[in-house]
Amino acid sequence: AQSVTQLGSHVSVSEGALVLLRCNYSSSVPPYLFWYVQYPNQGLQLLLKYTSAATLVKGINGFEAEFKKSETSFHLTKPSAHMSDAAEYFCAVSAKTYGNKLVFGAGTILRVKS
Amino acid sequence: DAGVTQSPTHLIKTRGQQVTLRCSPKSGHDTVSWYQQALGQGPQFIFQYYEEEERQRGNFPDRFSGHQFPNYSSELNVNALLLGDSALYLCASSLMSSGGQRIIPVGANVLTFGAGSRLTVL
Repeated sequence: AQSVTQLGSHVSVSEGALVLLRCNYSSSVPPYLFWYVQYPNQGLQLLLKYTSAATLVKGINGFEAEFKKSETSFHLTKPSAHMSDAAEYFCAVSAKTYGNKLVFGAGTILRVKS
Repeated sequence: DAGVTQSPTHLIKTRGQQVTLRCSPKSGHDTVSWYQQALGQGPQFIFQYYEEEERQRGNFPDRFSGHQFPNYSSELNVNALLLGDSALYLCASSLMSSGGQRIIPVGANVLTFGAGSRLTVL
C-alpha cells in the first residue's frame, strides 16, 4: 500500500523568503512522486515529477524537489516566494505498475505575505 | 489545444437522487481517471477507464459507476446520493498507449486534470 503525509496543512512565508513544503511517502515498491498545485476554483496542475532519474527534480515556476530514499521524503522548495505562489500544493505517489493511480496527500495551503 | 473539460461545473442535488458528470479528455489522451476531492482533503481515486473498460478502482461503493465512450470521453454516475458525496469531482486524462503499444512505465504518465464538477448534496 502507498501513502503520502504532508507535514503542515498551512504554511505562511513572506514574499522573497524560502518556500519549503514537506512530503513523506510510504511505498512497498520504488515510487514515482509528483507535486501538483491547485489554485482556487481550478483543477490540479503538475509542478514536477520524479521518475527514478536525477534525484533533484526541477519544475515549473522555479520550484524543485529532492528525492531522498533514506528519508522517504520528497520535499518541495523554491528559493524566493512570490505572491502568485499562494495556492494549495499536493504531493502524490504512484507505483511502477499497470495504471497510473495517484495517491495524494492532504495538501498544504501556502500563504505568501507581502 | 483543449485541455480536460468537465460539465457541469456546479450542481445541487438532494439525498437519494442520481447524478451524471461528464468529462472530455485532453486531445490525444486515451485514458480517463476520476477523483473525489472532499473539502479540505486531497483527491481520492475513484476509478480509471481505458479502452472503454474499468481498469482500476479505488475504495468506493458500487453506487459509483462510470463509462468510457469510443471517443475517449467519460461519464461518472453516482446513485442514491448521500450528504457525504458532496465534493469536487475531478477528471484526469493521460496517455496509456501509443501506436498500439502500451507506454511503459505507465506509472510515470502525467495526469492532466480538469477544473472539476462541484457537487452539493442537500
